[in-house]
Order: sequence, then structure tokens, then C-alpha cells
Amino acid sequence: NAGVTQTPKFQVLKTGQSMTLQCAQDMNHNSMYWYRQDPGMGLRLIYYSASEGTTDKGEVPNGYNVSRLNKREFSLRLESAAPSQTSVYFCAIFLAGSIEQFFGPGTRLTVL
Amino acid sequence: DQQVKQNSPSLSVQEGRISILNCDYTNSMFDYFLWYKKYPAEGPTFLISISSIKDKNEDGRFTVFLNKSAKHLSLHIVPSQPGDSAVYFCAASVGSGNTGKLIFGQGTTLQVKP
Repeated sequence: NAGVTQTPKFQVLKTGQSMTLQCAQDMNHNSMYWYRQDPGMGLRLIYYSASEGTTDKGEVPNGYNVSRLNKREFSLRLESAAPSQTSVYFCAIFLAGSIEQFFGPGTRLTVL
Repeated sequence: DQQVKQNSPSLSVQEGRISILNCDYTNSMFDYFLWYKKYPAEGPTFLISISSIKDKNEDGRFTVFLNKSAKHLSLHIVPSQPGDSAVYFCAASVGSGNTGKLIFGQGTTLQVKP
């Protein structure tokens, strides 16, 4: 998954704790996305950013905030984590000129 | 309401045989359809796509068929290999171009037995 990095790879939180998931790309693309993957649910879009400084809600935005401060980085924040947010989170970029998205390696988050 | 559905959670086939993974959708405005492959502990990787104006696209062992009247697409893998064992997601593009938003199905786990 060269080109899109995510940190951390694993995280365990207690209910009510906060944390920020980081995503960075070195492919100079405008559009970036955050998804969550849950068993039997596929990948669901949380938030996306079409360009630096803009963000929009996806299918499941409740409980999350995002920040796109520059073209390279797109962060996802959980202000007060809940067990329902236990999931694998993927960051993706949209390859302009094609129709595919390129995914990072994922962050596995467990909320106890 | 799930706009993209993969009704088979799992599929098991013998090495060398054909694997057929199915996907149904409800929105006739989708303009592209994509298949992604995912191995454990990795991010999904793009496999093959098809435009809504076509009914078939082929890339090596992988062929995607689109039946617009039935709102159905399928991925054929011939011949199947053990390395093809993974989770396969179909996805549909909503308003292609600037945003590139995708809607994914639930995924089908393919197991190819040696």
C-alpha cells in the first residue's frame, strides 16, 4: 500500500477516550476518504475530502470528526469512543483520471 | 437501504475451476462498477472495473459481466488459484469524476482449495 500510510496500525481504547487516526499520502491527490469495515457490512464511507480545506459527510459520520489541513494529510477523530466504533478503519485516495480508489493498510481499533 | 448487495457471504471452489462472485445493485444511475480484493490485515486492492455502457470487461483470468436490465454484475475467475483466496468486494461509483465516491457491497469470502 505504498503511497498511503496510516497510523497507528492497532489501538485499544476505553469507552469515552478520544483519539485521532492519521492518514498521509505522498501521491499528490486531491480526494481522500475514511471508511470503516465491519463483518457483514462491507466498507462504509465515514467522511471524505474532495480537496484541501473541504470535508463532507459520508454514510456513517456520527461520532466522528475529520480534519484536512493540507493536501497530504486527512485525520479522523473520535472525541468519545464507544464500543460500536470497534472496527477496522481505512483511508483511501481517489486516483484522478481513473475511477479507482487506492487504500491504505488500515487501523484496527478496539473500544472496550 | 443497501444499494449494493453481495448475497453470498462465502464461496468455496476447487483449484483450476471457475469462481463466480455475484453482486446486485438498486441504483440505475451508477456509472462505474469495480471489484476489490482484500487479504487479511491489508487494505483492499483494485482488481477490475466496468463502465455502465459496457457489458463485459476482461483482464487475464478475471472477467466482469454487467447485466443492466437485471441490475446485476458478476466476477468470473478462471482458472481459480489458491492465491485468489480473499474477500472480494464489489463497489459502485456515485457521480464519477471529482469526488469518486464508492458504495461497497458486504463482501464475499472466496476460498480456493488446492
